[in-house]
Amino acid sequence: GIQVEQSPPDLILQEGANSTLRCNFSDSVNNLQWFHQNPWGQLINLFYIPSGTKQNGRLSATTVATERYSLLYISSSQTTDSGVYFCAVPSSGGYNKLIFGAGTRLAVHP
Amino acid sequence: EPEVTQTPSHQVTQMGQEVILRCVPISNHLYFYWYRQILGQKVEFLVSFYNNEISEKSEIFDDQFSVERPDGSNFTLKIRSTKLEDSAMYFCASRYLLTTDTQYFGPGTRLTVL
Repeated sequence: GIQVEQSPPDLILQEGANSTLRCNFSDSVNNLQWFHQNPWGQLINLFYIPSGTKQNGRLSATTVATERYSLLYISSSQTTDSGVYFCAVPSSGGYNKLIFGAGTRLAVHP
Repeated sequence: EPEVTQTPSHQVTQMGQEVILRCVPISNHLYFYWYRQILGQKVEFLVSFYNNEISEKSEIFDDQFSVERPDGSNFTLKIRSTKLEDSAMYFCASRYLLTTDTQYFGPGTRLTVL
């Protein structure tokens, strides 16, 4: 089945710094989602981004489907950005269950 | 904005007991899913449900698990006889379209089996 790899596994930032998180996937996909898991364990939808670039405030995401990767940019990071960031892609065939990467754990210090 | 809701937020149970986790998907959605996340690990697919029947299930979803949509709004996951290793966060998700649509996740139920 499709493999999803995220890097880096861990990231420590000072407040105000910028960062880029990467998601590689092993097969072509027709959509991709980015999530933020907050300290309470909730999965917050950030982006649905099958291709191209989207922006939402300080966050933006780019997916290059032909090269099988997606990037999540966080600018001017804040302590509330801390948590785990997951990307997920649908499995081929079936009912499009999502296959998650292992996540990037981000800690933003004041 | 419509959202997926789950109850309870946290459930503690004794090993061997039955638990029912409840979800209310977004009202016009057609496809429903359960996922679980063991502490510190990635989110894993359990089961998908469409047109009142299971459409796909993972190896984790054995005979101890069952799902039901009893009344057209609720979507439940039952674990018949809980084991210690069932302790995890359980997420319900729903979507309207199959291929070109966001899958919306509920806030999760944290299940602790003692």
